[in-house]
Amino acid sequence: GGIITQTPKFLIGQEGQKLTLKCQQNFNHDTMYWYRQDSGKGLRLIYYSITENDLQKGDLSEGYDASREKKSSFSLTVTSAQKNEMAVFLCASSIKLGEQYFGPGTRLTVL
Amino acid sequence: GQQVQQSPASLVLQEGENAELQCNFSSTATQLQWFYQRPGGSLVSLLYNPSGTKHTGRLTSTTVTKERRSSLHISSSQITDSGTYFCAMANYGNEKITFGAGTKLTIKP
Repeated sequence: GGIITQTPKFLIGQEGQKLTLKCQQNFNHDTMYWYRQDSGKGLRLIYYSITENDLQKGDLSEGYDASREKKSSFSLTVTSAQKNEMAVFLCASSIKLGEQYFGPGTRLTVL
Repeated sequence: GQQVQQSPASLVLQEGENAELQCNFSSTATQLQWFYQRPGGSLVSLLYNPSGTKHTGRLTSTTVTKERRSSLHISSSQITDSGTYFCAMANYGNEKITFGAGTKLTIKP
C-alpha cells in the first residue's frame, strides 16, 4: 500500500499573496493531479502531470502554477490569492491510465 | 471537452432500501471510477470499473462502454452510506480525468 500526504492541512493567506501547496506520494505512481473543490460542488482539474517535469493544464489552470520536480512530489502555487476565496485543494495520483488515489486535502481560506 | 452527467442530483432513502446512481458520459470511457465523499472529507475510491460489472461488499458497478454509461448500485443501504458519490472518467489515451457533479445520498432511519 501507499499514501498521499498534503501539506499544509489548513492554509490561511492574504489577498494577493502567493501560496504554495505540496503533495507527496509513495505509490511510485507516474501521474499526479491537482483539483479544486468549492463547498458543496464537484471537483475541477487544475493541473496534472504524467511524469517528472511534465505539466498539463486542466480546465481551471488560470491563476495557478504547478511544478513536478520529482516523481513523488507535485506542488501547486496560487499565484495571487483572491479575497474571500475558500476551497479545498485535492491531490491525487495514479499509475498510467489507472485508478486514482486521493490525499486528505488542503483547506484554503483567503482573508 | 468530455462531459460527465450524474443522476439523480440527490436521493433520499429509508435505511434498508437499495440505491441506484447513474453516470453518463459524452465520450467512450477507458477509465471509470466511483468515489465516495463524506461532508468535509476526502475522496475514497469505491470501484474502478471501465467496463463490465464489478462488486465489492454491498456495492455493484455496471459500465456499458458502448452506451457511455455506468451505474452504482448500493444494496440494503445504511445510515453510514450517506454522503456524496462521484463518478469520474477519461477517454482513450487521455489522462485528463473529468468528474461528474455528484449524487448526494441521504439515508434516513
